[in-house]
Amino acid sequence: AQKVTQAQTEISVVEKEDVTLDCVYETRDTTYYLFWYKQPPSGELVFLIRRNSFDEQNEISGRYSWNFQKSTSSFNFTITASQVVDSAVYFCALTPRVSNYQLIWGAGTKLIIKP
Amino acid sequence: GAGVSQSPSNKVTEKGKDVELRCDPISGHTALYWYRQSLGQGLEFLIYFQGNSAPDKSGLPSDRFSAERTGGSVSTLTIQRTQQEDSAVYLCASSPDRRALGNYEQYFGPGTRLTVT
Repeated sequence: AQKVTQAQTEISVVEKEDVTLDCVYETRDTTYYLFWYKQPPSGELVFLIRRNSFDEQNEISGRYSWNFQKSTSSFNFTITASQVVDSAVYFCALTPRVSNYQLIWGAGTKLIIKP
Repeated sequence: GAGVSQSPSNKVTEKGKDVELRCDPISGHTALYWYRQSLGQGLEFLIYFQGNSAPDKSGLPSDRFSAERTGGSVSTLTIQRTQQEDSAVYLCASSPDRRALGNYEQYFGPGTRLTVT
């Protein structure tokens, strides 16, 4: 089965705290791609990162970092020193090699950053 | 335009009426996708186009839903005899080449919020 699980429905933290959003995936394919998207209150989905299954190197982009671990089928997303503007719904998604056009989406995690 | 555009941004319709939702992808993008997002939910895949053809219509919820794409550009999603459960945000996305989805992310439009009363 191809599936993406974001177990955290909603997370609320105070500004400047670090926060990690979990993503666990299932796929039979050995080649696949993982994505994170941000959906702010305005509604438009914004691409954050793409990672292919051959590259387990963690990535850092400013306050954002991603931890990809094939051994646990996880692709977690951490925001350090969170800001109110980070408040959004964050989606993790998977594209299996077999159907390499369709994104399989997690249910999303609503992140609330309180000032 | 610079990004994916969708129209209308909001649509309120009475149950039983037909509606058409429009998507203008990014110029040059060959792949186009329609998704549905119900309130507080994730994205539900509806249909995918490569050029003008739709190799995968498996996500369409019923035969009341149809979509077409002309000239490899604009796409229209049509819902006939709308039902209240059709109320959702309909999102369109495009990408340069579906075969290279792993290398090209999908770019999303702002969506059309459909309310069926």
